[in-house]
Amino acid sequence: DAKTTQPNSMESNEEEPVHLPCNHSTISGTDYIHWYRQLPSQGPEYVIHGLTSNVNNRMASLAIAEDRKSSTLILHRATLRDAAVYYCILRESSSNTGKLIFGQGTTLQVKP
Amino acid sequence: DAGVIQSPRHEVTEMGQEVTLRCKPISGHNSLFWYRQTMMRGLELLIYFNNNVPIDDSGMPEDRFSAKMPNASFSTLKIQPSEPRDSAVYFCASSRDTVSTEAFFGQGTRLTVV
Repeated sequence: DAKTTQPNSMESNEEEPVHLPCNHSTISGTDYIHWYRQLPSQGPEYVIHGLTSNVNNRMASLAIAEDRKSSTLILHRATLRDAAVYYCILRESSSNTGKLIFGQGTTLQVKP
Repeated sequence: DAGVIQSPRHEVTEMGQEVTLRCKPISGHNSLFWYRQTMMRGLELLIYFNNNVPIDDSGMPEDRFSAKMPNASFSTLKIQPSEPRDSAVYFCASSRDTVSTEAFFGQGTRLTVV
């Protein structure tokens, strides 16, 4: 399974942008980069995903490096409700199994 | 759609008893995942189905655990006999396909084995 590396924790101030990094140097050419987050006492929640190009949706933006060995999840204005564990996951496509393997993620704290 | 529905939300059982967790995926989704989450081990993928067929059960801890998907709208995870170390939150998730689309998670079943 392709691995990702994320910082254990990050802090942000409310209403400021947050950049959550992820390294995935062993990514294969057809692996999709997925981001999920888990709020306290809830199941994981999809945030965004991409393959090669940068992606934007209502929740966040995903910036993917040109060599695809790293990516950054961008929350444009952090709110207290964004405090969660954020997971960067590579979704396999080469074997068509599509397993989602979660690592330890980054715990984001948002300070008022 | 109501999302992925899991039942029960909470289960307390005595060691040695059989436990059955249930999951109803989102209609039209072809892939279904079972996960277990503990503080020590984080989120672990137990088993994964595609079109009702188990594709990868390498995460199932031991023979006490079994999972079935008799049709596209229902799956069960059974533990028999249960042990205190099985205490965890169990999540079910579904997605429309195997790679490019997002997975949706249920609210989980908190299992306590005493």
